[in-house]
Amino acid sequence: EVRLVESGGGLVKPGGSLRLSCAAAGFNSSNAWMSWVRQAPGKGLEWVGRIKSKTDGETTDFAAPVKGRFTISRDDSKNTLYLHMNSLKTEDTGVYYCATGIFRYFVWSTWGQGALVTVSS
Amino acid sequence: DIQMTQSPSSLSASVGDRVTISCQASQDISNYLNWYQQKPGKAPKLLIYDASNVETGVPSRFSGSGSGTDFTFTISSLQPEDFATYYCQQYDNLPLTFGGGTKVEIK
Repeated sequence: EVRLVESGGGLVKPGGSLRLSCAAAGFNSSNAWMSWVRQAPGKGLEWVGRIKSKTDGETTDFAAPVKGRFTISRDDSKNTLYLHMNSLKTEDTGVYYCATGIFRYFVWSTWGQGALVTVSS
Repeated sequence: DIQMTQSPSSLSASVGDRVTISCQASQDISNYLNWYQQKPGKAPKLLIYDASNVETGVPSRFSGSGSGTDFTFTISSLQPEDFATYYCQQYDNLPLTFGGGTKVEIK
């Protein structure tokens, strides 16, 4: 079964940092482009960023609200994706999903269960 | 950035009804459009990709059409398990953007 399992969510103070992990199971994620999508409480979906596969250069791109504060990395030996969040703001509060289409770059057929990030003093 | 305008933002319908949701892009996105279903507390689920292709395993009562700037998502006969929020998403250009969502509720 193809699965993504997220971990690392929690409560953090404004200005703090947090790292989310997304472990892939049931497929080799090394060739997949991986994305992060978030959802603020009671709101819609917002794309956060994407990392290409190693063979495509591991290039990352981000949405404007997180650019310069968030980074994405991957450890293909562990089949794991990471979202590094720095200088967190209260408006970063929400559920964070990792998603992939495996070989379909932006057609997200597989999603994690979501990790709740709460930024509050 | 490409703006995705989805309408209506909510609707009430009965089991067996035909439901149609619209999504309009602020510029031509060809057919680079997906539709997702999301139920409370759950991750989104891909239903339609490339505007009109039904994802494997998704019931045939779900369909999509359109290209360019105007797109339509249809449920031909609403079932109890279809009450959820639906989102369109464009992937023609970064940043990837979603419509605001349409909440389908029970009448």
